[in-house]
Amino acid sequence: DGGITQSPKYLFRKEGQNVTLSCEQNLNHDAMYWYRQDPGQGLRLIYYSQIVNDFQKGDIAEGYSVSREKKESFPLTVTSAQKNPTAFYLCASSITRYQPQHFGDGTRLSIL
Amino acid sequence: AQKVTQAQTEISVVEKEDVTLDCVYETRDTTYYLFWYKQPPSGELVFLIRRNSFDEQNEISGRYSWNFQKSTSSFNFTITASQVVDSAVYFCALSEVAQGGSEKLVFGKGTKLTVNP
Repeated sequence: DGGITQSPKYLFRKEGQNVTLSCEQNLNHDAMYWYRQDPGQGLRLIYYSQIVNDFQKGDIAEGYSVSREKKESFPLTVTSAQKNPTAFYLCASSITRYQPQHFGDGTRLSIL
Repeated sequence: AQKVTQAQTEISVVEKEDVTLDCVYETRDTTYYLFWYKQPPSGELVFLIRRNSFDEQNEISGRYSWNFQKSTSSFNFTITASQVVDSAVYFCALSEVAQGGSEKLVFGKGTKLTVNP
């Protein structure tokens, strides 16, 4: 079945540590997105990528980094510079712009 | 800048009641798209509908219906004869043209709907 796979489902980070969230899609979609969801805040865009080897900052990119070396993969690194990383992270993809985005099941990140 | 407002934070209804979720948006674009997504307790977002700015026809899909009115910048969502399985957080979103001609979505903060048996 085609879809978006995010892993792990739960992740714990120690202070000063970088962690990487995985996002893989087999939908052959060009565009991929990372969102952060906090209680009562809706979804906020972290980074997005329209094509391989290209990505742009979203509204809250500070403390995060991404790469897009393959069409299927768009990993997100939460660096130690992100002082409040506890949140639910959602990855999405769309075949092209203005088309519906398809979402993964999310990764819940907590601080130890 | 684009903005989406979902003024209802939480709504609670009894099964079989009709319920309307409000969405008001702001944009300077003449061409734009509006979306509704459902987020059940499991966490993933499920796409429900997309509407472009040139199509003001109302849409009905089973128990779901959408009312798009450009004059009031609203895109409201009605569930008829609600069921317990409709309990979820519902998000309204607006497309925005970003740098380089790429597109991104601006989401409202969501409305949590609880349908009680």
